[in-house]
Amino acid sequence: KNQVEQSPQSLIILEGKNCTLQCNYTVSPFSNLRWYKQDTGRGPVSLTIMTFSENTKSNGRYTATLDADTKQSSLHITASQLSDSASYICVVSDRGSTLGRLYFGRGTQLTVWP
Amino acid sequence: EADIYQTPRYLVIGTGKKITLECSQTMGHDKMYWYQQDPGMELHLIHYSYGVNSTEKGDLSSESTVSRIRTEHFPLTLESARPSHTSQYLCASNRNGASGEQFFGPGTRLTVL
Repeated sequence: KNQVEQSPQSLIILEGKNCTLQCNYTVSPFSNLRWYKQDTGRGPVSLTIMTFSENTKSNGRYTATLDADTKQSSLHITASQLSDSASYICVVSDRGSTLGRLYFGRGTQLTVWP
Repeated sequence: EADIYQTPRYLVIGTGKKITLECSQTMGHDKMYWYQQDPGMELHLIHYSYGVNSTEKGDLSSESTVSRIRTEHFPLTLESARPSHTSQYLCASNRNGASGEQFFGPGTRLTVL
């Protein structure tokens, strides 16, 4: 069964600190993995995309890693800001269907305190 | 910000009412999607469309219906709302191509009393 599991479920950190969010997936055949940020009351917005051959990709203070062998990904946030408070969702796409089906994790709810 | 819009943003209605959630995108995307999201849970696909006059049911059984008469417009209708329909509804779109990024609207928070 294609699944995406994220940990931790929630996380509280102080402003300026770093944190790492985890994503494990069983989706096959794998096409790509995206990390989305979803602010409260808003739709998700894509932060990074990782394809099979990519190990690391950065977008400002966000750095995503992918280990396609172990089917794990992480999202590292550096020097957190209050605006980073949001839900971070790991989304894996398969290439076995015309639709390009997406499989969503439940998200990690990050709260950054001043 | 993606050019995809949803109205209303919030809706509180009584049981038995008919409602239509609007979704429009100005990016010319062929594919459009409706997702249902409950707090702390993953998004569930309830409807999708490959293009005009194409609609399909998603993974999650839903009593809603959709239509795609124009490329930019993908409304979702509930003929008779029930409290179990209380949820957040997200609309998304992307270009053809299996790995294309989906762009999401801001969502409609529906509460059925």
